[in-house]
Amino acid sequence: QVQLVESGGGVVQPGRSLRLSCAASGFSFTGYAIHWVRQAPGKGLEWVAVISYDGINKYYADSVTGRFTVSRDNSKNTLHLQMNSLSIEDTAVYYCARGLGGGYNSPFDYWGQGTLVTVSS
Amino acid sequence: EIVLTQSPGTLSLSPGERATLSCRASQSVTSNFLAWYQQKPGQAPRLLIYGASRRATGIPDRFSGSGSGTDFTLTISRLEPEDFAVYYCQQYGSSPMYTFGQGTKLEIK
Repeated sequence: QVQLVESGGGVVQPGRSLRLSCAASGFSFTGYAIHWVRQAPGKGLEWVAVISYDGINKYYADSVTGRFTVSRDNSKNTLHLQMNSLSIEDTAVYYCARGLGGGYNSPFDYWGQGTLVTVSS
Repeated sequence: EIVLTQSPGTLSLSPGERATLSCRASQSVTSNFLAWYQQKPGQAPRLLIYGASRRATGIPDRFSGSGSGTDFTLTISRLEPEDFAVYYCQQYGSSPMYTFGQGTKLEIK
């Protein structure tokens, strides 16, 4: 069955960096764009970034552009989110999610369980 | 950026009743690329509806979606106890920029 498992969350000080990972299984990883979506405590969902199936194209929300970088290793069925210059506003549960149709014009049909990032001094 | 506004913020109903949730977009959603998700506490969102009216795999037929352009509706025909959750709409027609509504909390009356 399709599984997405995030890891790498934790407590980090403002201005520092953190790298999240998302391990995929149960489907052809190389056929799908994968997204990162976050949810601040008690708040709604915010799309963060997407990477194309081949890792060539990457797009980001304005709130993270220039600070976050998404990458993927198709040989290991793994996705990463490098987060630099973290601020308190980045505190959230971070989910990876698969695009249903493989491309960009798709809803998110499978989600991981999320990993919590807390930015605090 | 397309802004999605959901109403009401909270909906209080009893099991067996019909629920109607609204999602209004600030501009027309391309090709009606509008999805609905359900989220329960401590869980990831679950895709319910996409393309405004297509049920995702495994979703019961008491869930239905309708609408086009800027006005969309999620209807739950007869509420089951497990349906009480938060519901989000999302547009994916202006990709690669995706936006979510702020959510509607469906609570037991």
